[in-house]
Amino acid sequence: DTGVSQDPRHKITKRGQNVTFRCDPISEHNRLYWYRQTLGQGPEFLTYFQNEAQLEKSRLLSDRFSAERPKGSFSTLEIQRTEQGDSAMYLCASSPGGGNFRSPLHFGNGTRLTVT
Amino acid sequence: AQKITQTQPGMFVQEKEAVTLDCTYDTSDPSYGLFWYKQPSSGEMIFLIYQGSYDQQNATEGRYSLNFQKARKSANLVISASQLGDSAMYFCAMSTGGTSYGKLTFGQGTILTVHP
Repeated sequence: DTGVSQDPRHKITKRGQNVTFRCDPISEHNRLYWYRQTLGQGPEFLTYFQNEAQLEKSRLLSDRFSAERPKGSFSTLEIQRTEQGDSAMYLCASSPGGGNFRSPLHFGNGTRLTVT
Repeated sequence: AQKITQTQPGMFVQEKEAVTLDCTYDTSDPSYGLFWYKQPSSGEMIFLIYQGSYDQQNATEGRYSLNFQKARKSANLVISASQLGDSAMYFCAMSTGGTSYGKLTFGQGTILTVHP
């Protein structure tokens, strides 16, 4: 169990640029989640995957955001035409397939995005 | 809709003393799970303890226990024998039944500072 890995840890970009983050979940976990956390707040759900299928997207995920999990392993989160309001910590988490609401999420260290 | 409320922005405790972090929740779903996570300054969300809505006994995990009062819709975290390493942000979160497990609703968090 090597844990959930996120890359990069920090990203500084200029407004209007595109950015992409990567998440590698725990290898045997079928579910993968993306959350966003702004300063001083709790994380907010963005989207989740069961294997390669994206099953739910939050209303927070505007058209500028897209997430993929092409082979049911790692996932990418892309933000196009970044805005200053996108500055936040982006957290990835995974959980075992076949679980239920008792299953705790295993989180990565997050990617901190700063849009200047 | 689910809601988690943490009314204590910050708490202070002396090393080796016990501390209680408050959490109230609101949901109309009869099946739900309540979680506590710890977030140190490094950013990673660390799972601490889980309580299910149908569990008859309060959950315990080492120095952590959850004081679950279903009628009052509260799920307070009790940390016994506080240690300096317990200084962190603590989040209460809820997941409801169905296939969307892992879609957590988080509170705003409580910053705990342990004094030597």
